[in-house]
Amino acid sequence: DVKVTQSSRYLVKRTGEKVFLECVQDMDHENMFWYRQDPGLGLRLIYFSYDVKMKEKGDIPEGYSVSREKKERFSLILESASTNQTSMYLCASKFMNTEAFFGQGTRLTVV
Amino acid sequence: AQKVTQAQTEISVVEKEDVTLDCVYETRDTTYYLFWYKQPPSGELVFLIRRNSFDEQNEISGRYSWNFQKSTSSFNFTITASQVVDSAVYFCALSELLTGANNLFFGTGTRLTVIP
Repeated sequence: DVKVTQSSRYLVKRTGEKVFLECVQDMDHENMFWYRQDPGLGLRLIYFSYDVKMKEKGDIPEGYSVSREKKERFSLILESASTNQTSMYLCASKFMNTEAFFGQGTRLTVV
Repeated sequence: AQKVTQAQTEISVVEKEDVTLDCVYETRDTTYYLFWYKQPPSGELVFLIRRNSFDEQNEISGRYSWNFQKSTSSFNFTITASQVVDSAVYFCALSELLTGANNLFFGTGTRLTVIP
């Protein structure tokens, strides 16, 4: 069974903290993605990566950075968490134009 | 530019009714891919179907069917004889061949509630 695993299902962090969201896939996919999902806004792309150490900004990269040191792992970093980053974060991976596989999501609350 | 529009924010139907979820897309690419995903209350997105721009054949899978029409840039999804387990948020998505990293652009989703 293919799998995308996000390190946490729920997280509560304080304003100003540095937050790491981890995502691991076991399908040897080149492409990995971080989205955030908010009511009424659908899924918005934060960053994506098409290879190790390669990254591209998505639609809403401000306040975020990413790291991809190994093919199977893609980390999303909130440099200084703010309350407007409270959201559901979804990681996905895919091979070329096939379907993407998603993790279970991380619901982050910044207080 | 690329855009996926799901104009229906929420739909409620009574069990066993048929329901169609609309998806309209915009792209300048001649080669692209369209997807539907289901997000049940558990939160994980589940892949339902992929269709490439050169294949306009409609598809049926059990109670699910998809109508792809390039002339109207639409890729609509119909559930026949709906069931309570169909209650979920459904997303339509677009991927263009020439877009770097084979990105996926999502619509805002349609929340379907099936009432028993």
